[in-house]
Amino acid sequence: AQSVTQLDSQVPVFEEAPVELRCNYSSSVSVYLFWYVQYPNQGLQLLLKYLSGSTLVESINGFEAEFNKSQTSFHLRKPSVHISDTAEYFCAVSDTDSWGKFQFGAGTQVVVTP
Amino acid sequence: DTGVSQNPRHKITKRGQNVTFRCDPISEHNRLYWYRQTLGQGPEFLTYFQNEAQLEKSRLLSDRFSAERPKGSFSTLEIQRTEQGDSAMYLCASSTGLAGADEQFFGPGTRLTVL
Repeated sequence: AQSVTQLDSQVPVFEEAPVELRCNYSSSVSVYLFWYVQYPNQGLQLLLKYLSGSTLVESINGFEAEFNKSQTSFHLRKPSVHISDTAEYFCAVSDTDSWGKFQFGAGTQVVVTP
Repeated sequence: DTGVSQNPRHKITKRGQNVTFRCDPISEHNRLYWYRQTLGQGPEFLTYFQNEAQLEKSRLLSDRFSAERPKGSFSTLEIQRTEQGDSAMYLCASSTGLAGADEQFFGPGTRLTVL
């Protein structure tokens, strides 16, 4: 069985400062990894994903995440945040040999202040 | 708008009543998923359809819950004899089904409040 742990429930950060959101998973098989973002009063949107290949993946709005198999982690980073990055971020994992069932973490609320 | 839509967006009901939610997936998507999200938690998987076939149900889905996807298009989730513990956001998602773990596109959710 899979599990996903997001170690921080809330991360306050100042505008233009860097942020890192931690995600660790456990699984007995190979996995695909995802980060979703939920802006206030909106549905979840895919931010980025790791399926195979390069372990560093990037989004179009400056976020990046690195898959670390030995540490079973998929931490999300952004070097300089904007007010508009205020949202809840969810890490999700799916077994590579399954039909695509996602296991989500509990989420990390990012609050960016001026 | 070609995204996933859900109706209603909000539902307030009294304990013991039945409620039904609807999800319209992206039109060419074969897979449809239902999740439940409570405050401070990530989405929890409830059930999954491949076209019209319901292929997996979570243990969270008690016998008071039933989901259908007639003709492999829209889906409904019904909760009978609602309880206060059913209060949550119910999310629907869809995906193409062309790969083992392709991107799931989420709807805005239906927020259920059971009084």
